[in-house]
Amino acid sequence: NAGVTQTPKFRVLKTGQSMTLLCAQDMNHEYMYWYRQDPGMGLRLIHYSVGEGTTAKGEVPDGYNVSRLKKQNFLLGLESAAPSQTSVYFCASSYNILSGNTIYFGEGSWLTVV
Amino acid sequence: GESVGLHLPTLSVQEGDNSIINCAYSNSASDYFIWYKQESGKGPQFIIDIRSNMDKRQGQRVTVLLNKTVKHLSLQIAATQPGDSAVYFCAGVIIQGAQKLVFGQGTRLTINP
Repeated sequence: NAGVTQTPKFRVLKTGQSMTLLCAQDMNHEYMYWYRQDPGMGLRLIHYSVGEGTTAKGEVPDGYNVSRLKKQNFLLGLESAAPSQTSVYFCASSYNILSGNTIYFGEGSWLTVV
Repeated sequence: GESVGLHLPTLSVQEGDNSIINCAYSNSASDYFIWYKQESGKGPQFIIDIRSNMDKRQGQRVTVLLNKTVKHLSLQIAATQPGDSAVYFCAGVIIQGAQKLVFGQGTRLTINP
């Protein structure tokens, strides 16, 4: 059971470069999320999706774009990377949380922008 | 907006003692709270949850208490073990068109031998 898989796990980018983080889940979850985690801070929501073909902004969406073309995949894009985007990125997925279903997190993607 | 925060960034306890990690939230938009454990280099791991119609819930060695009057919840870990060393986050579920988790800043729990 793979659960939530993120790729790549580590990446170093130069300022201005673009990249895409891929999140894949094999649990048929409707909800998917992208969070970032900075040192000494909790996770902050970047974007989320409530189903295939839908996306919405979270708490810190600037500088990021997302797409949910397939139910199992949620892509996070950085069009022009900035050093402020150096962080650990976590993807998560869930069914209806309020029905008692757990939200599952991936193992994280470490991104450094130099 | 909703915010969730933890009282202490670090907590050290002796192995075998009980640990209490506290969390406060700013408004009543959340009616569901989750505690997560995060070990170094890993994603958050579900520990226990509680709904606002409850004031206490118990799991294996863990208990969550919710005080809606003062908007406070706590995680109690009984007989802490070295494997309990991690960062602990509380998160509130916000319902505004979609379900979203709002995380506190985390408490690093260190177990002393």
